[in-house]
Amino acid sequence: EPEVTQTPSHQVTQMGQEVILRCVPISNHLYFYWYRQILGQKVEFLVSFYNNEISEKSEIFDDQFSVERPDGSNFTLKIRSTKLEDSAMYFCASNGGVGLGEQFFGPGTRLTVL
Amino acid sequence: KNEVEQSPQNLTAQEGEFITINCSYSVGISALHWLQQHPGGGIVSLFMLSSGKKKHGRLIATINIQEKHSSLHITASHPRDSAVYICAVSGDDMRFGAGTRLTVKP
Repeated sequence: EPEVTQTPSHQVTQMGQEVILRCVPISNHLYFYWYRQILGQKVEFLVSFYNNEISEKSEIFDDQFSVERPDGSNFTLKIRSTKLEDSAMYFCASNGGVGLGEQFFGPGTRLTVL
Repeated sequence: KNEVEQSPQNLTAQEGEFITINCSYSVGISALHWLQQHPGGGIVSLFMLSSGKKKHGRLIATINIQEKHSSLHITASHPRDSAVYICAVSGDDMRFGAGTRLTVKP
């Protein structure tokens, strides 16, 4: 069964460093999403991406964040200068399109900023 | 006030019991999602619904659009159902409830 994959499973970085979180969505899906979950808190929407551009973004998704689909298969989330409060689990998800079924979530990347 | 409210926050049941988790929302939506988050953190989509009722195995989800309310039911609960169940609503973006932690004891 097709699945969304994410790498790495755990990333540890120093404050101020740049990190890139990688996702491979399901191959025929059209919409891609990033979410984060700070430990002990609820899941929060970061951004949605369609047709090589951002569809929607939350107020969390400020200038330090960017997303890219560099090669038609990977979908990346870059955090330019990490802060302690960026420590969280980051989930990627994809679906076939708005109204075209549920989202499929990746296993998540746990980001720890020291 | 949270846009998506779930109740209860925590629920402990004995194996075999019928479980109900409730979700109320205050924003306009195109669909409502029920998700299951396992202890390891992974999230699985259980249902996406915009009206009526859906059933998958022992799980049933209902939604009342007029009342902005949804329920997730688990019949004949089993210890392997122990997880956090999350209600989320989608419109332009996705808004999540805080989750209901379900523990089913053998």
